[in-house]
Amino acid sequence: QKEVEQNSGPLSVPEGAIASLNCTYSDRGSQSFFWYRQYSGKSPELIMFIYSNGDKEDGRFTAQLNKASQYVSLLIRDSQPSDSATYLCAVNGAAGNKLTFGGGTRVLVKP
Amino acid sequence: NAGVMQNPRHLVRRRGQEARLRCSPMKGHSHVYWYRQLPEEGLKFMVYLQKENIIDESGMPKERFSAEFPKEGPSILRIQQVVRGDSAAYFCASSPSRAEAEQFFGPGTRLTVL
Repeated sequence: QKEVEQNSGPLSVPEGAIASLNCTYSDRGSQSFFWYRQYSGKSPELIMFIYSNGDKEDGRFTAQLNKASQYVSLLIRDSQPSDSATYLCAVNGAAGNKLTFGGGTRVLVKP
Repeated sequence: NAGVMQNPRHLVRRRGQEARLRCSPMKGHSHVYWYRQLPEEGLKFMVYLQKENIIDESGMPKERFSAEFPKEGPSILRIQQVVRGDSAAYFCASSPSRAEAEQFFGPGTRLTVL
């Protein structure tokens, strides 16, 4: 079992719709959770972080964390073609400050 | 807007040569991390450093790779005697000095070994 798992996609979403991305993790001691966006050939860009169970909203993005079920999700509302990218889920485990990344979910927003 | 800086952005080396990758953290950040992204693979942690200290090098290959973050100057990731399998994007990230703080990535160095 991988430490952080994501569906690789591609997730195809019509423009203006909601994109829903999921991520599960294996380390129950994980404390902090991050979503990064990575365009092809570019570096990861932090878009959301969440530490506590529940929802956290920032603009068109909402992160949801459920530590009991060991999953974290990202919702992108009013999806735009510019949201087309690979979204990486990252988990900071109990062992320290290193991030463990999932393989990423590729999102395609079609006009 | 002084983000994380990395240089060079592209580096070409022949097998057996040395590669030196540099990273300057964001202003006010004292923690530096190196990650590697092999073609068509995910990001993998390599090493975590603070000034003059290696905190966690559990992801670093045991041979040919080393990292430092001196008191003055950038963090350096050094790869000796490069092989074709070292071809990858190497990203540096930095964070402020509190536990589990969010990490911000630099633009990366794309290493190609001929």
